[in-house]
Amino acid sequence: TQLLEQSPQFLSIQEGENLTVYCNSSSVFSSLQWYRQEPGEGPVLLVTVVTGGEVKKLKRLTFQFGDARKDSSLHITAAQPGDTGLYLCAANSGGSNYKLTFGKGTLLTVNP
Amino acid sequence: GAVVSQHPSWVICKSGTSVKIECRSLDFQATTMFWYRQFPKQSLMLMATSNEGSKATYEQGVEKDKFLINHASLTLSTLTVTSAHPEDSSFYICSAQLVGYTFGSGTRLTVV
Repeated sequence: TQLLEQSPQFLSIQEGENLTVYCNSSSVFSSLQWYRQEPGEGPVLLVTVVTGGEVKKLKRLTFQFGDARKDSSLHITAAQPGDTGLYLCAANSGGSNYKLTFGKGTLLTVNP
Repeated sequence: GAVVSQHPSWVICKSGTSVKIECRSLDFQATTMFWYRQFPKQSLMLMATSNEGSKATYEQGVEKDKFLINHASLTLSTLTVTSAHPEDSSFYICSAQLVGYTFGSGTRLTVV
């Protein structure tokens, strides 16, 4: 089982601040995904990164895939209360059944 | 886009009874679906992989006789929590894969 270490586990910041969430592993991934989940809902896909060194931007969110495809980061610029939620990184564990393994998640609270 | 419908969204049951949760792929066929369990402020833990027309594959530590999975059609997988106990109270989420992974909105199970 490929282990995804996600940090920090909890983050509480003020509106307007920047933050970075990290997702690390000793395994190499063909791709890695970031999800955002709100209470009482299922996770919603934000982005999939595939190429080592890849950077993808989604409005104020910037996702980076490490050159070795073992780690990824999510950076949020000028956080807003609407960004509050559980951010999860996930990767396919390989094989033919395409199981998705999740990191422990980062619970982000943006205070107004 | 792909939509996965999960029902019910919440259920309260008495200890010792059984509860069935449905997961439907609305506009695509899913030969494989996944069932996750999530405790408050924690990440998703994969319970089992549901395979259409064959037995489900359970993750280590998940009791297959307690969490019965049936995937009788290409659009429906069900999870039955048998003889439920308060410790089974949790948020259960299903997902299916088309291009990426799509998640249901989850079922909040409370066993009293």
